Amino acid sequence: AQKVTQAQTEISVVEKEDVTLDCVYETRDTTYYLFWYKQPPSGELVFLIRRNSFDEQNEISGRYSWNFQKSTSSFNFTITASQVVDSAVYFCALSEAETGAQKLVFGQGTRLTINP
Amino acid sequence: EAQVTQNPRYLITVTGKKLTVTCSQNMNHEYMSWYRQDPGLGLRQIYYSMNVEVTDKGDVPEGYKVSRKEKRNFPLILESPSPNQTSLYFCASRPRLAGVYEQYFGPGTRLTVT
Repeated sequence: AQKVTQAQTEISVVEKEDVTLDCVYETRDTTYYLFWYKQPPSGELVFLIRRNSFDEQNEISGRYSWNFQKSTSSFNFTITASQVVDSAVYFCALSEAETGAQKLVFGQGTRLTINP
Repeated sequence: EAQVTQNPRYLITVTGKKLTVTCSQNMNHEYMSWYRQDPGLGLRQIYYSMNVEVTDKGDVPEGYKVSRKEKRNFPLILESPSPNQTSLYFCASRPRLAGVYEQYFGPGTRLTVT
């Protein structure tokens, strides 16, 4: 069965600090996809990144970076030099190729608050 | 503008009164899904559809119905809503393209059943 765990329910940091959001997943499929979504206070879900199971390269996009490690089944998300606009709930999600990638299984979400 | 739309955005209703939440996408996507978001549980899939007239249950389908008569529309029907269906609902879509697996979400519908 597939499962995603985001153990950090809430994180609060001061602006300009770096912060890492943890994501641990479980799957029996050998081909799967990992995602991060952002949910700002306005409520919509914004797609941030997708990672395929066969591509373990880390990725950096501006202040955002993602660390994918199959050995520990983790897909962590780091925000460097955080800003108030980064305040949101962040979801990690998993989709398996075996099910045709029809379903996203989400973690519980991490509420990130960046204080000025 | 490419988007997924949902209506209504907010709805307060009473137990047992049938309601429909509409979902429409203008991206010609084959795949569509409904999710509900509850505190501490993240989002969970209710139903999904792989194409017109093809639907299947997700993880929490009890109390819900869907239909897919047209490619662009995927309404969620609550025949007899109950208070435990109070939640934030999202519709999502994605194309049937190899290499594109992320789903694009509508703005959400906040439903309260009293």
